[in-house]
Amino acid sequence: EVQLVESGGGVVRPGGSLRLSCAASGFTFDDYGMSWVRQVPGKGLEWVAGMNWNGGSTGYADSVKGRFTISRDNAKNSLFLQMNSLRAEDTALYHCARRGGSYQPLDYWGQGTLVTVSS
Amino acid sequence: DIQMTQSPSSLSASVGDRVTITCRASQSISTYLSWYQHKPGKAPKLLIYAVSSLQSGVPSRFSGSGSGTDFTLTISSLQPEDFATYYCQQSYSTPRTFGQGTRLEIK
Repeated sequence: EVQLVESGGGVVRPGGSLRLSCAASGFTFDDYGMSWVRQVPGKGLEWVAGMNWNGGSTGYADSVKGRFTISRDNAKNSLFLQMNSLRAEDTALYHCARRGGSYQPLDYWGQGTLVTVSS
Repeated sequence: DIQMTQSPSSLSASVGDRVTITCRASQSISTYLSWYQHKPGKAPKLLIYAVSSLQSGVPSRFSGSGSGTDFTLTISSLQPEDFATYYCQQSYSTPRTFGQGTRLEIK
């Protein structure tokens, strides 16, 4: 069974940093690209960042470019999101998701970890 | 960046109704279009990918169509468990943008 479990969320002050982790199991992790998607409470889904199977290709939403960094450790079946210079508008539930197949839909999602940026 | 626009933003319908949600891309995305269902407190669920391919385990009352810039999600006969928010997403280019969502409510 495919499982994705996020961790690392919490409360942080504006300008602070946080590192999210996503532990993957139930599939061959280094066969798949991965993404981070967030949802601001009461708002819609926002794609944040994505990475191919070996980390050689990454992409970011304009809203986080230059502040967030996606990475992975295939030996540990883990995905990460380093978040720096955090802003109040980064407050959200952050999900990791697997990119499946040729058309790269997000076919499995974790439950998410909550990040709150507040002074 | 490619903008994805869904309509309507919200919709009231009854069990048994046929419902259609539309999604328009600001430029052609070929067939790189997926639909997701999201219920409060749960992880989003992939329903359809590549415009019209049904994800494994998804009931056949869900279907998708379209190409280029205009796409639709149809639920042929609404069931109580279908009341949720639905999102389209393009995977043609980065950033992989979502539509703003369509909230489907019980009438």
